[in-house]
Amino acid sequence: TQLLEQSPQFLSIQEGENLTVYCNSSSVFSSLQWYRQEPGEGPVLLVTVVTGGEVKKLKRLTFQFGDARKDSSLHITAAQPGDTGLYLCAVALNNAGNMLTFGGGTRLMVKP
Amino acid sequence: DTEVTQTPKHLVMGMTNKKSLKCEQHMGHRAMYWYKQKAKKPPELMFVYSYEKLSINESVPSRFSPECPNSSLLNLHLHALQPEDSALYLCASSQVGGSQPQHFGDGTRLSIL
Repeated sequence: TQLLEQSPQFLSIQEGENLTVYCNSSSVFSSLQWYRQEPGEGPVLLVTVVTGGEVKKLKRLTFQFGDARKDSSLHITAAQPGDTGLYLCAVALNNAGNMLTFGGGTRLMVKP
Repeated sequence: DTEVTQTPKHLVMGMTNKKSLKCEQHMGHRAMYWYKQKAKKPPELMFVYSYEKLSINESVPSRFSPECPNSSLLNLHLHALQPEDSALYLCASSQVGGSQPQHFGDGTRLSIL
């Protein structure tokens, strides 16, 4: 069983649709990160959430950290083909914050 | 363009070969990382260097040997690899300290024949 469970695993939608991706755990975390990985590239950090209940916006992307700091969601409004990629949530397993473990990822394809 | 540069981008090697993967960053980061990513899976941490010293080894087989010659460079020496070691090898760097954002290179795609 993975520490971070992401759902859905795959999502194929049309341009302009909205979507939500989830990252769930039974453990409590001091912070959680979201990365996006495009084909042929390394992951790129999108956001770090720290406070329970926190909401952060990055253009059309809205990130929320659960009140209990066990889960997080990523909502994309009016998806565009450029949003296509692998979305990964990640948490640090140690106090130093450098042992990152990733969720299984959500592979998103946005069709024009 | 990524600020973490990995070379080569692709590598094909036999099981008896010795090769090295290289990673370079000039962001002044003092933590550097190696990850392994199999197809359609998330990255998995292999090694962490902090201030040029190995601080975490996630039970990686000895056929993978990391080296951090200075604060900007990270190498991964490969010897006697197995076909199941074929994967994308990602390097990352960050500031030292709690949950700092990690900056990833685009990886070396390694194929073992």
